[in-house]
Amino acid sequence: SQQGEEDPQALSIQEGENATMNCSYKTSINNLQWYRQNSGRGLVHLILIRSNEREKHSGRLRVTLDTSKKSSSLLITASRAADTASYFCATDASGNNRLAFGKGNQVVVIP
Amino acid sequence: GAGVSQSPSNKVTEKGKDVELRCDPISGHTALYWYRQSLGQGLEFLIYFQGNSAPDKSGLPSDRFSAERTGGSVSTLTIQRTQQEDSAVYLCASRPRTSGGEQFFGPGTRLTVL
Repeated sequence: SQQGEEDPQALSIQEGENATMNCSYKTSINNLQWYRQNSGRGLVHLILIRSNEREKHSGRLRVTLDTSKKSSSLLITASRAADTASYFCATDASGNNRLAFGKGNQVVVIP
Repeated sequence: GAGVSQSPSNKVTEKGKDVELRCDPISGHTALYWYRQSLGQGLEFLIYFQGNSAPDKSGLPSDRFSAERTGGSVSTLTIQRTQQEDSAVYLCASRPRTSGGEQFFGPGTRLTVL
């Protein structure tokens, strides 16, 4: 069963704006990861946040994790046209080695 | 190559036929995963191999699905007597033992069952 559940969103933003996506999950996790997918094919890992971390940055990406609310957010700052993609959160549950993916957010950045 | 490769990239088959999908993980990666992605079900875990341990097959949807990993490297996912609902993109991923959890995905095989 899938744990991660993004808010069902299709974001359309102007280049330079920020994009925020949310994800919720149901059980205990070791870590939560965000992936990007272009054109419905391979996924690219973006960032991983461990269960004992609350916030993490990587370049223009900022991810937060609230384990008490079982939720995470991904912020992309100063968006670019190349950021147009689907974004998935995935949870690595405690004692498990598989990822449970959410349904994904489609982000369109308009040049 | 440097990344995970999968073949074929596209496969069209007739209902009832068997298909084999191949995954070449990144060299040295001990863990290998199969997922499938479909419009109705999203991304679903299928099976996980870790070294010489018995695989975790808990995600396989039916006994028509099987997978093997030979020599701790290449993996083959086999679907017998394909059904139209098997149509999906099948994604393979690998992970090194030292990874904190990040998985490296291949480009996928798009399977269409007519």
